[in-house]
Amino acid sequence: EPEVTQTPSHQVTQMGQEVILRCVPISNHLYFYWYRQILGQKVEFLVSFYNNEISEKSEIFDDQFSVERPDGSNFTLKIRSTKLEDSAMYFCASSAGTDVSPLHFGNGTRLTVT
Amino acid sequence: AQSVTQPDIHITVSEGASLELRCNYSYGATPYLFWYVQSPGQGLQLLLKYFSGDTLVQGIKGFEAEFKRSQSSFNLRKPSVHWSDAAEYFCAVAPRAAGNKLTFGGGTRVLVKP
Repeated sequence: EPEVTQTPSHQVTQMGQEVILRCVPISNHLYFYWYRQILGQKVEFLVSFYNNEISEKSEIFDDQFSVERPDGSNFTLKIRSTKLEDSAMYFCASSAGTDVSPLHFGNGTRLTVT
Repeated sequence: AQSVTQPDIHITVSEGASLELRCNYSYGATPYLFWYVQSPGQGLQLLLKYFSGDTLVQGIKGFEAEFKRSQSSFNLRKPSVHWSDAAEYFCAVAPRAAGNKLTFGGGTRVLVKP
């Protein structure tokens, strides 16, 4: 079964550094998402992306965050200047459509900001 | 604002026993409803979903869930658990206008005793 893959599985960075989290969605999917889960808290929606633009974003997704689909296969989340509170598990997901098409999640990237 | 409550943080069951995980949601209209499972080191896997129609939905791995509109609940059940069902289970809702912008509950961690 096709999978969403995320790299790296664990990223450690210093506060103020830029990080890029990478995802390869399922190949025929058109909608892409990032969610995150801070340790001990709920999984939260960050952003959805379709047709090369953001279709929706949460309050969390401020100017420090950006997403990009640089080529036909990758989908990236960039955090420009990381803060301690950005430490979390970041999940990428993709779907063939909205509504009745389920999300397929990757295994996540654990980001640790020191 | 919509919210999802999973009242049980941890549940321990014996292998072969039945399992029920509770989920209550708060939302203005009936949303789409989902259950996801996360095994250690893995991503979120969709167990089942409710969009409309029959309020008892069947999912993968022998799970089912029942939507009760009057109680705003969507409880997950399995008649006989296997050791491999040890995982964290997340209930989630999404508005019908944005079916993949999920709001998650806090999760229930299931431990299975031999």
